[in-house]
This record gives sequence, structure tokens and C-alpha cells, in this order.
Amino acid sequence: DAGITQSPRYKITETGRQVTLMCHQTWSHSYMFWYRQDLGHGLRLIYYSAAADITDKGEVPDGYVVSRSKTENFPLTLESATRSQTSVYFCASIHSADRYTGELFFGEGSRLTVL
Amino acid sequence: AQSVTQLDSQVPVFEEAPVELRCNYSSSVSVYLFWYVQYPNQGLQLLLKYLSGSTLVKGINGFEAEFNKSQTSFHLRKPSVHISDTAEYFCAVSDRGSSNTGKLIFGQGTTLQVKP
Repeated sequence: DAGITQSPRYKITETGRQVTLMCHQTWSHSYMFWYRQDLGHGLRLIYYSAAADITDKGEVPDGYVVSRSKTENFPLTLESATRSQTSVYFCASIHSADRYTGELFFGEGSRLTVL
Repeated sequence: AQSVTQLDSQVPVFEEAPVELRCNYSSSVSVYLFWYVQYPNQGLQLLLKYLSGSTLVKGINGFEAEFNKSQTSFHLRKPSVHISDTAEYFCAVSDRGSSNTGKLIFGQGTTLQVKP
């Protein structure tokens, strides 16, 4: 089915481990985003990408790495997970022509717990 | 820098009562304003948006919002809520000029709890 999918939906890991959250979209949207959702903070932008091989930092990028070798995929990696990275992570995408006025399409989220 | 403040973290209301969720923004440039809704264990979906023109914007599920430039507000309203409206609501702003990404800045969210 067309859409934006995230995996895994739920993940428990330990401090210091590397974790990769996957995001795949089937619309060929050029813009993709990673947000984290925390109580009291709403959604905060971690990284975004304007196209394949073009990425940039958002509001809270420390401790995260992204790549975008293909338009449809935008993985987020926590190189050495910390407890403060326990959160719900949302991937989103939008067509370039709609990026100012259009609807941002969200995945269902990946709930990460770091012990 | 832009910012969005949602003035209420939780709003409890009885079914069929009216509700208003408050949102204020700050920006030095013209903005686009959005309201998104998040149902339990789901991603966010767009409720409505203000781009230009009429300051009263109607969205899905009977919601509407009013853009007030002088008060820098974009409050969300519904005249009669249903149990199914129980969700988290996010106000967001996207600048028109200083960013070429259109990335959204979100507020902290308001939990609407509709009671029977």
C-alpha cells in the first residue's frame, strides 16, 4: 500500500547500543523529516532532508545520524543510545512543491525505550 | 525565531459541549498556521490550515480556527464535541520567507479529553 511506514514500531534497547529506525515512503516525496515527541515538548525536529544525499540538522540533532541514499528511505541512527533518547519518533514527508502550504504526512511512529 | 505556545496542556470537556484549544505564535515574518490531530497510537494528521484570505478556517470533523494577526493567535474551536474527538492536538507554524524547507515548528500539544 502507498504511504509512509516506520519500523520497528516498538524497540527496547540498552544504553550505549546503536539503534536504527527506518522510514520508507512510496510517494517519491523529496522532503523528509524526523521528529521526536516528548511530553511537554510536543514535536521537535531532529533532522530533515530536501532530497537524496541532502540532509540538514533540525532543533535537536545531537546524538543522531541520518542518511538518504534513496529518495524513499530516510533512516535515523542513534549511534550510542542514552536514556534521554527514550521517546516516540515520527517520520514525515511532503512533496517539494507543497512544502510551505501542504499537508505533512506522518508515519505511525516508533516508540523507543532506552534502559 | 519562530515559536508556538499552546496555552493548555489538557482540556477536559463533556460530550456535546463546545471547546476551544488555544494557540499563540511568535514570528517576525508572515506565517502559515496549521492544526494537526493525533489519535492514540497513531501519527499526526492535518485538521486545517490558514494560508491567507478569510481568517476563519474550516477543517475536518467540524473543527474551525480563527487567525488573529493582532493577537498572534490561531485558536481551534468546535461547537459540540464527541467522544471520538478525544486526542492530542498540535498547533504548528511554517514560515513563508526565512526558510526554504517549509519545516513546521510545533507547539507542546493539548490533550482533549471528552467525557460522556
